Amino acid sequence: KAGVTQTPRYLIKTRGQQVTLSCSPISGHRSVSWYQQTPGQGLQFLFEYFSETQRNKGNFPGRFSGRQFSNSRSEMNVSTLELGDSALYLCASSRQAVGNEKLFFGSGTQLSVL
Amino acid sequence: DQQVKQNSPSLSVQEGRISILNCDYTNSMFDYFLWYKKYPAEGPTFLISISSIKDKNEDGRFTVFLNKSAKHLSLHIVPSQPGDSAVYFCAASGGGSQGNLIFGKGTKLSVKP
Repeated sequence: KAGVTQTPRYLIKTRGQQVTLSCSPISGHRSVSWYQQTPGQGLQFLFEYFSETQRNKGNFPGRFSGRQFSNSRSEMNVSTLELGDSALYLCASSRQAVGNEKLFFGSGTQLSVL
Repeated sequence: DQQVKQNSPSLSVQEGRISILNCDYTNSMFDYFLWYKKYPAEGPTFLISISSIKDKNEDGRFTVFLNKSAKHLSLHIVPSQPGDSAVYFCAASGGGSQGNLIFGKGTKLSVKP
């Protein structure tokens, strides 16, 4: 069974640009969550999608958005990039959208904003 | 305000000895706790979990202890192996959607041969 796939693995952008990251969950998983990891800050929750609906959103500005398609694949978009957006962006999938479900993470997209 | 705290950013242990990683939480509504392990350049992987109705859960070399009155949990690794060297994240959930899964900042464990 294929794991969670995130593309691209690495991305370099400049301030003001926008970026789209992609996540393909494990087959059969309907929930996709996105997290931002920065050095010393752990995993900060961005948002969660279940059956194409955003169920929950973390405390991030509106420049961060996402969506989920009918095949459960998900994308997240960051507009007007800032230097502080440089981070590892992780996608996780689970069967159901419940807090005690085990999450399966992708390897992440390392975004560098110059 | 951090709801899940891992106060030790790093821990170094000799191979074969016990590793104890600690985690404190502030929200008494949390009822499910998980530990994830992360190697460099990889995503976190689930390690072990515990429900608030239990005070201990064991899986091979890994045991998680929960002290609800102290709002404290710990992960014990016995015996520690060099391959256990990774960053360990504690996470807590109050049920509901994944938005209620709160992660700590992680503890980097180094197991020396």
